[in-house]
Amino acid sequence: AQSVTQPDIHITVSEGASLELRCNYSYGATPYLFWYVQSPGQGLQLLLKYFSGDTLVQGIKGFEAEFKRSQSSFNLRKPSVHWSDAAEYFCAVVNSGTYKYIFGTGTRLKVLA
Amino acid sequence: DGGITQSPKYLFRKEGQNVTLSCEQNLNHDAMYWYRQDPGQGLRLIYYSQIVNDFQKGDIAEGYSVSREKKESFPLTVTSAQKNPTAFYLCASRRAGVRETQYFGPGTRLLVL
Repeated sequence: AQSVTQPDIHITVSEGASLELRCNYSYGATPYLFWYVQSPGQGLQLLLKYFSGDTLVQGIKGFEAEFKRSQSSFNLRKPSVHWSDAAEYFCAVVNSGTYKYIFGTGTRLKVLA
Repeated sequence: DGGITQSPKYLFRKEGQNVTLSCEQNLNHDAMYWYRQDPGQGLRLIYYSQIVNDFQKGDIAEGYSVSREKKESFPLTVTSAQKNPTAFYLCASRRAGVRETQYFGPGTRLLVL
């Protein structure tokens, strides 16, 4: 069965520090992968997505993610975190047969001033 | 301005009462989804609809019902059979094809009185 694992429930970083959020997936075929961000009490906003091609994808707000098939990973990175990046981040994969999206349990990011 | 609207933002349910959450989209998307979000559990799929007049159960459909009479609308009813309805409910629609993406509404928080 398809699944997405985000091993870190909480991450705390200082403002200006670099960030990496981990995502591992289990999917038989070539995956369509997504990262979303959610502020408290809000809906989810798409940060970036990977379908094929260049394994390093750029997104909004200065985020990027790298697809590594050999590691079944799609980690999200940002070189310098801003206080406004504090939120919850979700990794997702879509089943290309049913078009059901499978989400990880999320990583909550706290940013220290 | 295209998007997904959900109403109300907060909803209170009394014991034994059915309540309906509204979801409307003007993105011209065929597919729509309902998710339930509880702390630490990510997003769980309740129901989804790939086309008008058709819908399928997701992973946690018990105690919920939906209809899809119009392309723009996908209301969710939380019935009295749902014994633990307190949660944040998110509606989404899906853009299909080469630009495959799921977009989310702002959510409805349901509380039990």
